[in-house]
Amino acid sequence: AQTVTQSQPEMSVQEAETVTLSCTYDTSESDYYLFWYKQPPSRQMILVIRQEAYKQQNATENRFSVNFQKAAKSFSLKISDSQLGDAAMYFCAFGGSNTGNQFYFGTGTSLTVIP
Amino acid sequence: NAGVTQTPKFRVLKTGQSMTLLCAQDMNHEYMYWYRQDPGMGLRLIHYSVGEGTTAKGEVPDGYNVSRLKKQNFLLGLESAAPSQTSVYFCASSYSGRGWTDTQYFGPGTRLTVL
Repeated sequence: AQTVTQSQPEMSVQEAETVTLSCTYDTSESDYYLFWYKQPPSRQMILVIRQEAYKQQNATENRFSVNFQKAAKSFSLKISDSQLGDAAMYFCAFGGSNTGNQFYFGTGTSLTVIP
Repeated sequence: NAGVTQTPKFRVLKTGQSMTLLCAQDMNHEYMYWYRQDPGMGLRLIHYSVGEGTTAKGEVPDGYNVSRLKKQNFLLGLESAAPSQTSVYFCASSYSGRGWTDTQYFGPGTRLTVL
């Protein structure tokens, strides 16, 4: 089975500063995608960003970017210019061709944004 | 466009009672999923469906049954609830035939307590 590890249960960042959330994964697959999902206090999860394993270029979405280190099996999320609305739980997730439709989620990182 | 909706939002059951959680999506998605979220454990897949009339087991299927009689609806049933099934349940849907590549769209969750 695949494993996804988020080693930071909680993180905090000052408003307007930059924070990086860590995620590592373990897989023997070559065709896979990685995702970061945000779960605000309202509970409804939304996609932040995703990365295809075959692409060497790191994905970016506005203030959100990833540092994808395939050899190290690391997939960290960088949030720049942090805003109060970024406060949430962030989950890293893995989806692979051999695991079919089963996604694997990490245990989450709770991000606090300090005004 | 409501996206993914879940009914009910909260429920309290006594041990041994049964109930059905309803998930509905209006995005014409083929794939639908049921997850449970427990503290410190991230999301775990219970069952999923790759199309109308099809269902498959996920990581933690025991004690649950599902049905997908209509493309837009995915039902999760608990026949005899146990305290270990106290959790927050999320439904999700995604579009394509390569499920592991896709963004999942989540519902707002159902908080279930089994006494």
